[in-house]
Amino acid sequence: AQSVTQLGSHVSVSEGALVLLRCNYSSSVPPYLFWYVQYPNQGLQLLLKYTSAATLVKGINGFEAEFKKSETSFHLTKPSAHMSDAAEYFCAVSDAGSTLGRLYFGRGTQLTVWP
Amino acid sequence: NAGVTQTPKFQVLKTGQSMTLQCAQDMNHEYMSWYRQDPGMGLRLIHYSVGAGITDQGEVPNGYNVSRSTTEDFPLRLLSAAPSQTSVYFCASSSDRVWGANVLTFGAGSRLTVL
Repeated sequence: AQSVTQLGSHVSVSEGALVLLRCNYSSSVPPYLFWYVQYPNQGLQLLLKYTSAATLVKGINGFEAEFKKSETSFHLTKPSAHMSDAAEYFCAVSDAGSTLGRLYFGRGTQLTVWP
Repeated sequence: NAGVTQTPKFQVLKTGQSMTLQCAQDMNHEYMSWYRQDPGMGLRLIHYSVGAGITDQGEVPNGYNVSRSTTEDFPLRLLSAAPSQTSVYFCASSSDRVWGANVLTFGAGSRLTVL
């Protein structure tokens, strides 16, 4: 079965600082991996996804993530945080070998950006 | 605007009451799903459907029923509400034909409180 672990339920950074949100996955087959963002009182929006092409994936709003098979990780980064990045971020995994396409989400990381 | 529409946005029920959360999408998506979001738990899959007439259980299906009579609609039914079903519910759909790489479009959510 697939699972995702997000290390740190809360991360705080200053505006302009590096953002690093950690995600480790467990999958018995090559996975598809996703990062979603949720702004207050809204649904989730896709930031980026990895589907076995380039290991470094660029997403919207300056975010990127690197797939590291040896570390079973898919950490999300942004070089310089902006106040508008404050939100909750979810890592998710899907079984690439499945015909069902179900997504399994991590518990989320709340990002706070200080001025 | 095209997208996933959920109704109602807010609902308060008494224990034992029944209700239906509505979900409609106008993007001709084949795949639709229901998640519940609870603090510190991330999103957990309740039920999903890969097309009209086809539904299956997710991680936490107990206490919920679904049906898919049309491509557009995927209602979630609570037959006898319990306080443990207090949560925020999200409907999501996808047209991605690459199974396992589903990029989900989420509704804005329905906040349910069961007293």
